[in-house]
Amino acid sequence: SQQGEEDPQALSIQEGENATMNCSYKTSINNLQWYRQNSGRGLVHLILIRSNEREKHSGRLRVTLDTSKKSSSLLITASRAADTASYFCAMNTGFQKLVFGTGTRLLVSP
Amino acid sequence: GAGVSQTPSNKVTEKGKYVELRCDPISGHTALYWYRQSLGQGPEFLIYFQGTGAADDSGLPNDRFFAVRPEGSVSTLKIQRTERGDSAVYLCASSLNVGGTDTQYFGPGTRLTVL
Repeated sequence: SQQGEEDPQALSIQEGENATMNCSYKTSINNLQWYRQNSGRGLVHLILIRSNEREKHSGRLRVTLDTSKKSSSLLITASRAADTASYFCAMNTGFQKLVFGTGTRLLVSP
Repeated sequence: GAGVSQTPSNKVTEKGKYVELRCDPISGHTALYWYRQSLGQGPEFLIYFQGTGAADDSGLPNDRFFAVRPEGSVSTLKIQRTERGDSAVYLCASSLNVGGTDTQYFGPGTRLTVL
């Protein structure tokens, strides 16, 4: 069963705008990771944030984590058409497997 | 270097048949994971290996599913008596070590369709 829920389920924006996706989860975590998936196939790792971290940046990506609210957000700044994909949060709860969220489908129009 | 590879990329089979899905992890990665992704959902964990042994198979849905990794590298996911509900994309991932902080690198997946 999936323990993460993402909001919104789908997001449509114009190039240059920012995109924000939110992830809520149910159990304690060691870390939370964000992945991108194009065309329903392989997942690409974007960023990992540990439970003792509150914010992390990587290029145009900014991730925040609020363990008290069991939530995380992914911000993509200055979006591009190539950012069109599905984005998943994935929780590591101390065991080796990842528990994925339900995903956000992002469409960036030129 | 080469990433995780999976074969076949697509597999169409008939209900009741047996299928094998193969995963070649990144060279040197000791941990290997299998996930299953249904349409419109996030991936769901099936099983992971540390070396040759299955360290956690709690995600396998029933005894029709089995996976092996006999030499600690290539893994095969085996599904007996396939059912239409088994249709999904089967994803394999590997990581350098077994550890919650290690990045899992995913292959392109095998799309299984059971008619």
